[in-house]
Amino acid sequence: DTGVSQDPRHKITKRGQNVTFRCDPISEHNRLYWYRQTLGQGPEFLTYFQNEAQLEKSRLLSDRFSAERPKGSFSTLEIQRTEQGDSAMYLCASSETSGVITDTQYFGPGTRLTVL
Amino acid sequence: AQSVTQLDSQVPVFEEAPVELRCNYSSSVSVYLFWYVQYPNQGLQLLLKYLSGSTLVKGINGFEAEFNKSQTSFHLRKPSVHISDTAEYFCAVRGNAGGTSYGKLTFGQGTILTVHP
Repeated sequence: DTGVSQDPRHKITKRGQNVTFRCDPISEHNRLYWYRQTLGQGPEFLTYFQNEAQLEKSRLLSDRFSAERPKGSFSTLEIQRTEQGDSAMYLCASSETSGVITDTQYFGPGTRLTVL
Repeated sequence: AQSVTQLDSQVPVFEEAPVELRCNYSSSVSVYLFWYVQYPNQGLQLLLKYLSGSTLVKGINGFEAEFNKSQTSFHLRKPSVHISDTAEYFCAVRGNAGGTSYGKLTFGQGTILTVHP
């Protein structure tokens, strides 16, 4: 079991550029979550998938943000027209759910985005 | 909806001393409770969780936590800390009433534990 992986680990971009992050969950985990963590704060929920279906999106997820999980395995999070306020650590987590919802979420190392 | 309050933003303690990190939550439904630890520039690692059953749960690295439903608390304790326990600790809750809206975790703002020699 290799754990949740995220790529890249760090991303520096200029304001207005688009960025895309990738998350590979633990194999056979059917749920995948995205969170955002700013300095000095706890992670905040952005969105999550069960298999390829996006089941919930936070109000934090503006129209500039889009997430996909096309084959129910890896996921991508894209931010269009980045703003300085998007600078944060983006965390991905995965979990296994079947029947009763008692899944435990396991987190990846995160992608740190800096928007100049 | 759920919310989590971690009552101390920073807790300094000497090595081998006991420590308690406090967490209170509010929720309109029953919850599952978690503590995660985050080392610098790393993701979150699960320390322990309460799903049901005994209200005292034991986790990794000698940590334990007690669920108190009447006080809506889930405080984290360790009887003797080590330098290596220096990290940020997050309390989190998840609704357990079922349905898709209860998948997400709601986190507290974190407590930075600093263990001094």
